[in-house]
Amino acid sequence: EVQLVESGGGLVQPGRSLRLSCAASGFTFDDYAMHWVRQAPGKGLEWVSGINWSGGGIAYAASVKGRFTISRDNAKRSLYLQMNSLRAEDMALYYCVKGYSGNYASAFDIWGQGAMVTVSS
Amino acid sequence: NFMLTQPHSVSESPGKTITISCTRSGGSIVSNYVQWYQQRPGSSPTTVIYEDNQRSSGVPDRFSGSIDSSSNSASLTISGLKTEDEADYYCQSYDRTNWVFGGGTKLTVL
Repeated sequence: EVQLVESGGGLVQPGRSLRLSCAASGFTFDDYAMHWVRQAPGKGLEWVSGINWSGGGIAYAASVKGRFTISRDNAKRSLYLQMNSLRAEDMALYYCVKGYSGNYASAFDIWGQGAMVTVSS
Repeated sequence: NFMLTQPHSVSESPGKTITISCTRSGGSIVSNYVQWYQQRPGSSPTTVIYEDNQRSSGVPDRFSGSIDSSSNSASLTISGLKTEDEADYYCQSYDRTNWVFGGGTKLTVL
């Protein structure tokens, strides 16, 4: 069974940093692109960042570019999101998502349960 | 950049057929595949349709996706509505490294 388990969420002050992790199991992790998608409370889905199978192709939403960094460790079957200079508007449930193929331009397949990030002083 | 616009909400009775639209502004709807995701209350999204009209594994054939280039829109059609179909539905597409979601449509089955 494919599983994606996010961790690292929590309460953080504006301007501080937080690192999310996503542990993958049940599939050949290094064959697939991965993404982070967030959902603010009561709001819709917003794509945050994506990374291809090798880590050589990466993209970010304009709202996080320059502040967030996506990375992956295929040996550890893990995806990461380093979030710096956090703002109130970054407060959301962050989902780890598996792509249908190794290219991050492929559709999204399996979603994790999410990790909540709360930004407040 | 581009936008995907969906109706805020739709409602229909069990057993009926509903169609949710997703209109692209800023580019052609046929230039990149469209996906549809279902999110039931309190749950993570799940993939319903990918690559315009392909059903994800385990999705019943009551769900279908289509593209209409004349209206520059995509549609998700659900036939034989069941109360379990009540959820938020999001369309999604891609352009030049950027993924975009529609604002979501709340489907009520009453």
